[in-house]
Amino acid sequence: KAGVTQTPRYLIKTRGQQVTLSCSPISGHRSVSWYQQTPGQGLQFLFEYFSETQRNKGNFPGRFSGRQFSNSRSEMNVSTLELGDSALYLCASSPGGLGGSAYNEQFFGPGTRLTVL
Amino acid sequence: DQQVKQNSPSLSVQEGRISILNCDYTNSMFDYFLWYKKYPAEGPTFLISISSIKDKNEDGRFTVFLNKSAKHLSLHIVPSQPGDSAVYFCAAGPTLGQAGTALIFGKGTTLSVSS
Repeated sequence: KAGVTQTPRYLIKTRGQQVTLSCSPISGHRSVSWYQQTPGQGLQFLFEYFSETQRNKGNFPGRFSGRQFSNSRSEMNVSTLELGDSALYLCASSPGGLGGSAYNEQFFGPGTRLTVL
Repeated sequence: DQQVKQNSPSLSVQEGRISILNCDYTNSMFDYFLWYKKYPAEGPTFLISISSIKDKNEDGRFTVFLNKSAKHLSLHIVPSQPGDSAVYFCAAGPTLGQAGTALIFGKGTTLSVSS
């Protein structure tokens, strides 16, 4: 089975611009979650999409948004970029089940490294 | 306020010895805990998990211990190998959470295993 793919792998933008990142989950997985990883904060949950609906959201400003398509692929958009948005953005896919063991079935992609100048 | 803390940013161990990585949490609602390993330029990989109904879970060279009263868990790697050198993240969530949605991660511990 192919793993989680994220495109692009690297991105350089300037302040004020917007960016769209893409994530293709493992075939058959219906849930896609997005995380931001920074050296100071570790991994922080952004939001999760399941069957094209946002199922949960972390504590990030409205500049961060996402969507999921009918084939479970997901995109994340950041508008009006700030220097502090420079980070590794990770997406993770899972079958979408509930319960503790469902966490075990979450697989991460390699991430998109975003640099904001 | 950090709900999951990994107080040691780095750990160096010799090959063949035991590596012990520690994690503390503050939220009593957490009752499912996981460890992830991350190599540079790759996403985190699930390593091992433990539910609060257990105090120990083993998988090969990896054992996770949970002390609920102390809100502390640890990951033991025995014997350590150079290929174990990576960043290790501790994560916690409620049992009834949805995959990925309620996990809170620590900031990670970089393990270096020298031969």
